[in-house]
Amino acid sequence: QKEVEQDPGPLSVPEGAIVSLNCTYSNSAFQYFMWYRQYSRKGPELLMYTYSSGNKEDGRFTAQVDKSSKYISLFIRDSQPSDSATYLCAGRNTGGFKTIFGAGTRLFVKA
Amino acid sequence: EAQVTQNPRYLITVTGKKLTVTCSQNMNHEYMSWYRQDPGLGLRQIYYSMNVEVTDKGDVPEGYKVSRKEKRNFPLILESPSPNQTSLYFCASSGLESYNEQFFGPGTRLTVL
Repeated sequence: QKEVEQDPGPLSVPEGAIVSLNCTYSNSAFQYFMWYRQYSRKGPELLMYTYSSGNKEDGRFTAQVDKSSKYISLFIRDSQPSDSATYLCAGRNTGGFKTIFGAGTRLFVKA
Repeated sequence: EAQVTQNPRYLITVTGKKLTVTCSQNMNHEYMSWYRQDPGLGLRQIYYSMNVEVTDKGDVPEGYKVSRKEKRNFPLILESPSPNQTSLYFCASSGLESYNEQFFGPGTRLTVL
């Protein structure tokens, strides 16, 4: 079993829709959870990270972690065609320097 | 401009021919790492380095070598490439205090025939 599981999609939504991207993880020691966005032919870039359980909001993006169910979510409000990319979730231990990534979910936002 | 650079961006080679992929960062970051990205498997860590002369294995280190002689550079060496090392490779760096934000290079697409 992979430490971080993510549905590869693709997920296709119309412009303006609310997008929900999800991951599950198996390592109980994970305390930090990250979401990276990767455009085609580019390296990943960090969108946001959270510590332990809870929500974090940044503009149209909200990250949510439920440690009791080992579930990580990213919500995108008012989705735009420019949000079309692959979204990678990731986790790591406190004090650890190994980040474990999911396989990524490919998102298409249609104008 | 703060960036991580990798060279070459594309490389086609043959089995057994030693190659080096270079990685350089201009952000004075202590931490550097190499990943490979394969369809369905996502990003998997090959090696990482906490600082000059300090390196450690990631999840898939077999067939790879690294060195960290200068803070800004972290080359990836394939001594005897094999077809199963055909992949998209990314170098990343971060400061130790901001480890959750890794800055990635543009990637190197390697094909081993």
